[in-house]
Amino acid sequence: DQQVKQNSPSLSVQEGRISILNCDYTNSMFDYFLWYKKYPAEGPTFLISISSIKDKNEDGRFTVFLNKSAKHLSLHIVPSQPGDSAVYFCAATAPGSARQLTFGSGTQLTVLP
Amino acid sequence: ETGVTQSPTHLIKTRGQQVTLRCSSQSGHNTVSWYQQALGQGPQFIFQYYREEENGRGNFPPRFSGLQFPNYSSELNVNALELDDSALYLCASRNGPGETQYFGPGTRLLVL
Repeated sequence: DQQVKQNSPSLSVQEGRISILNCDYTNSMFDYFLWYKKYPAEGPTFLISISSIKDKNEDGRFTVFLNKSAKHLSLHIVPSQPGDSAVYFCAATAPGSARQLTFGSGTQLTVLP
Repeated sequence: ETGVTQSPTHLIKTRGQQVTLRCSSQSGHNTVSWYQQALGQGPQFIFQYYREEENGRGNFPPRFSGLQFPNYSSELNVNALELDDSALYLCASRNGPGETQYFGPGTRLLVL
């Protein structure tokens, strides 16, 4: 039972254009959402997050949008750069003592020069 | 400031053996979580330690166990290894259960 889903295993985008990565979730208890980026042979690196009380959070080239009614979030990268090529994981947490992360299966983003 | 470190980087074991993986948390972080990432999947939560006590556990059998030490470093022990235990094991630390988690580079375990 996958509570966080990333339905696109891969995405290719031209340098300078917008990359849009999508994520859907099923657990209505999730109240905090995060995006992590992972390069080969490295651990996931925190990118950006959003609380369920917001619908948008922006940090430089990265913006996360949250649509609670649709249980959908997306990460926009503008403009995309070749160094952005990595696997992007969507993750969510629910209230509780552990606040553990529930991850999607990831999307491999390739930014073409 | 030193980030999260893990050892060893790679490990090969045979079915039925036992393994111990180690994690040093980032300076000042008192909470350590362990995740298993199988090939082509996202990381799955194994358990979490906060101030030396386990305070959360995912859907993993009891042969997965752990420890956290007074300096907040941690160990993950897996007994009676199975072929499906082959995965990347990630450790993450943070300064309290509600804060952002920072991951180490992982230990790649192969069970033959």
